[in-house]
Amino acid sequence: EAGVAQSPRYKIIEKRQSVAFWCNPISGHATLYWYQQILGQGPKLLIQFQNNGVVDDSQLPKDRFSAERLKGVDSTLKIQPAKLEDSAVYLCASSPWDSSSYNEQFFGPGTRLTVL
Amino acid sequence: GENVEQHPSTLSVQEGDSAVIKCTYSDSASNYFPWYKQELGKRPQLIIDIRSNVGEKKDQRIAVTLNKTAKHFSLHITETQPEDSAVYFCAASRGEYGNKLVFGAGTILRVKS
Repeated sequence: EAGVAQSPRYKIIEKRQSVAFWCNPISGHATLYWYQQILGQGPKLLIQFQNNGVVDDSQLPKDRFSAERLKGVDSTLKIQPAKLEDSAVYLCASSPWDSSSYNEQFFGPGTRLTVL
Repeated sequence: GENVEQHPSTLSVQEGDSAVIKCTYSDSASNYFPWYKQELGKRPQLIIDIRSNVGEKKDQRIAVTLNKTAKHFSLHITETQPEDSAVYFCAASRGEYGNKLVFGAGTILRVKS
């Protein structure tokens, strides 16, 4: 089966600019996650969708970050305006919503963001 | 909320030796504990996981042990090979499908040949 797709793979912007990332989960996966992975750290959950509804966005900096998952498939994550500390890899992951999966998450290749 | 601590942060072993990485968690309701391997510039990939109803699970050279009373779990890699060199992350979750994972900070494993 095809994996989780993300684009772009790399992005360099200046602080205060805007940027958007796109994710296409594995077909049929109802749950989609966006993680931020700062260099040398583990992934940190930013937002979790169940179909097109938000399940958890407690760690999303809502003053500058936004995300949506229209139609319950693809998702976009936006940062506006970007700060230097937003430099990180943004990982998208998906998982099926059934009791057999026990929460195994499948990750995309990530988007490496550099804010100058 | 859940907090996961992981040790050591770096680990160097000689090829053929064993490697052990340990994690502790804070939320006693957590019952699902996966381990992910991340090679440089690549996506994290699940290598093994364990649920709270078992104490140990093995898959060829990899094993995971869980002590729910002490709230810690460990990854054991035997007969290490150079291709085992990567960053390893532990994580914890309450396990209901769709529940979020909380990751440790990662361990850089270097296998010297």
